[in-house]
Amino acid sequence: NAGVTQTPKFQVLKTGQSMTLQCAQDMNHNSMYWYRQDPGMGLRLIYYSASEGTTDKGEVPNGYNVSRLNKREFSLRLESAAPSQTSVYFCAIRDREDQPQHFGDGTRLSIL
Amino acid sequence: EDQVTQSPEALRLQEGESSSLNCSYTVSGLRGLFWYRQDPGKGPEFLFTLYSAGEEKEKERLKATLTKKESFLHITAPKPEDSATYLCAVQAGSNTGKLIFGQGTTLQVKP
Repeated sequence: NAGVTQTPKFQVLKTGQSMTLQCAQDMNHNSMYWYRQDPGMGLRLIYYSASEGTTDKGEVPNGYNVSRLNKREFSLRLESAAPSQTSVYFCAIRDREDQPQHFGDGTRLSIL
Repeated sequence: EDQVTQSPEALRLQEGESSSLNCSYTVSGLRGLFWYRQDPGKGPEFLFTLYSAGEEKEKERLKATLTKKESFLHITAPKPEDSATYLCAVQAGSNTGKLIFGQGTTLQVKP
């Protein structure tokens, strides 16, 4: 979807396990974003990277870490998963100022 | 506090029955308002960007409009394939690209 590839598509974890969600783009866009989507809550920004080498917190960063590995890749890590982190996670990319973000098809994560 | 509210939460239409979806926002320094379509199991798909009050954009049966306080997505003579969740998002303040999303309107169009 729009040159954004997220892996894995589905994952089930146990409480306390760690996991890294991967996002890769082939559009050479500067900015990358991680969102979570929960029923009735809409999409909420977790972390973002305005450009290669920079990362910043969004609205709901607690319990997550990110790495902008290079211009193509932006990963999201859960160090100790909690049931409250059960959600659908979306990665998005953006090219220039005031341009729209384009989304991947998500990772569906369940934490038992 | 920046906020985006969409209404209604759900909308059922008969094929051909035109209607409008609403997105109300309170933000400081609007840089852009975005409409997305989301199908089940998929990521949001970009539809429109609106930058200033009075602006309008059209695509097939969809038309988006913007005022200083709200945006409307008008759907003219909808078809069953228009069934989806429609998301509204605003970008405000600094140009980091941070978006604030509404909760979405789920549209079902019956044949």
